[in-house]
Amino acid sequence: QLQESGPGLVKPSETLSLTCTLSGGSISSDRFYWGWIRQPPGKGLEWIGSVYYNGITSYKPSLKSRITISVDMSKNQFSLRLRSVTAADTAVYYCARQGGATPLDWGQGTLVTVSS
Amino acid sequence: QTVVTQEPSFSVSPGGTVTLTCGLTSGSVTTTNFPSWYQQTPGQTPRTLIYSTDTRSSGVPDRFSGSIVGNKAALTITGAQADDESVYYCLLHMGSGISVFGGGTKLTVL
Repeated sequence: QLQESGPGLVKPSETLSLTCTLSGGSISSDRFYWGWIRQPPGKGLEWIGSVYYNGITSYKPSLKSRITISVDMSKNQFSLRLRSVTAADTAVYYCARQGGATPLDWGQGTLVTVSS
Repeated sequence: QTVVTQEPSFSVSPGGTVTLTCGLTSGSVTTTNFPSWYQQTPGQTPRTLIYSTDTRSSGVPDRFSGSIVGNKAALTITGAQADDESVYYCLLHMGSGISVFGGGTKLTVL
């Protein structure tokens, strides 16, 4: 089971930080990747990046300059940091367990609004 | 930049069969894109239906099947039911660990 947590409101130009906690499994498994997907209100899904247990990451090219995804095996968590946010980053953010680059299991999602 | 394409909308009669497709603006979809399919109803978390072209996720009925048809990935729903009315997204692996979603197909059952 995956659960997102973090602030629901972030000011423009600041950093969005979310954490996904895994229960009933180990983040250090070499079978899976751990990913983030977002969905702006009323729009489609957008894959934004993933991390492997050893810290190797893959990011959507257009977000690569602003994004960091990391894993914390001691807490069985992985995290998303998105810098210099604008209103266009307002979305429901989902974390997911991935088989390779394919989301298999999803968290329930958390709405993050960028507004002053 | 290559874009993942899906039909914006489709309709099917109850009990009927429908095939949704997922293509690329440049090139063909193959099994090396590891096509996957997701179902989402309004306000709900996406549900994984199919991954690696044709593998059904746990608990997904065999009315849903995935394949490659010509140069596209395809999701076929047989015996459509009212609660199949959803938005269906495909996802393609583009290499280097990067995946891209299509824009989604809104399926109406009527």
